[in-house]
Amino acid sequence: LAKTTQPISMDSYEGQEVNITCSHNNIATNDYITWYQQFPSQGPRFIIQGYKTKVTNEVASLFIPADRKSSTLSLPRVSLSDTAVYYCLVGGEDSSYKLIFGSGTRLLVRP
Amino acid sequence: DTEVTQTPKHLVMGMTNKKSLKCEQHMGHRAMYWYKQKAKKPPELMFVYSYEKLSINESVPSRFSPECPNSSLLNLHLHALQPEDSALYLCASSQVWGGDTGELFFGEGSRLTVL
Repeated sequence: LAKTTQPISMDSYEGQEVNITCSHNNIATNDYITWYQQFPSQGPRFIIQGYKTKVTNEVASLFIPADRKSSTLSLPRVSLSDTAVYYCLVGGEDSSYKLIFGSGTRLLVRP
Repeated sequence: DTEVTQTPKHLVMGMTNKKSLKCEQHMGHRAMYWYKQKAKKPPELMFVYSYEKLSINESVPSRFSPECPNSSLLNLHLHALQPEDSALYLCASSQVWGGDTGELFFGEGSRLTVL
């Protein structure tokens, strides 16, 4: 299984752009990368998924370099409500499609 | 309807009790999952059902017994649990499992306390 490494925590201020990087050095050829957000006592919520280059949706962007050994979740102009834990997941055929959560990054957005 | 509904939200049980957690989705998803989450830890995969068949069991102790009676329902039967099994149990679903699994939709979880 591809192991992921994320910063334990990050601090930011309202209105700033936040970039959270995930390392996945042994990502398999067919693995895709997915990010989830989780608030306390709630289930995780899907943010974005990608395989290579750049993916953008209404809430975030995901940047994946050519070697795919890392990925960066970019949250534009964060607000207090973005304070949460963010998880990077890597999985696909080589990992029997097991979606295993990494340790996560606790993002604190300050006023 | 993009909801995964879990009941009960809270459950307290003794080590000799038998109880069940229930999960329901009406999105037509054919894959359903159980995860366990301890405080300040990431969710841990327990079971995956695909088309009502158990596809993944992550070496979960037999005191946890999953059941998928139909494509919309997923149960987790609990028997002879230990205090260390106290956790938030999360159910999730996705359109399919394997290939392009895509987005997992999670319920709010059932918080279990074993006395």
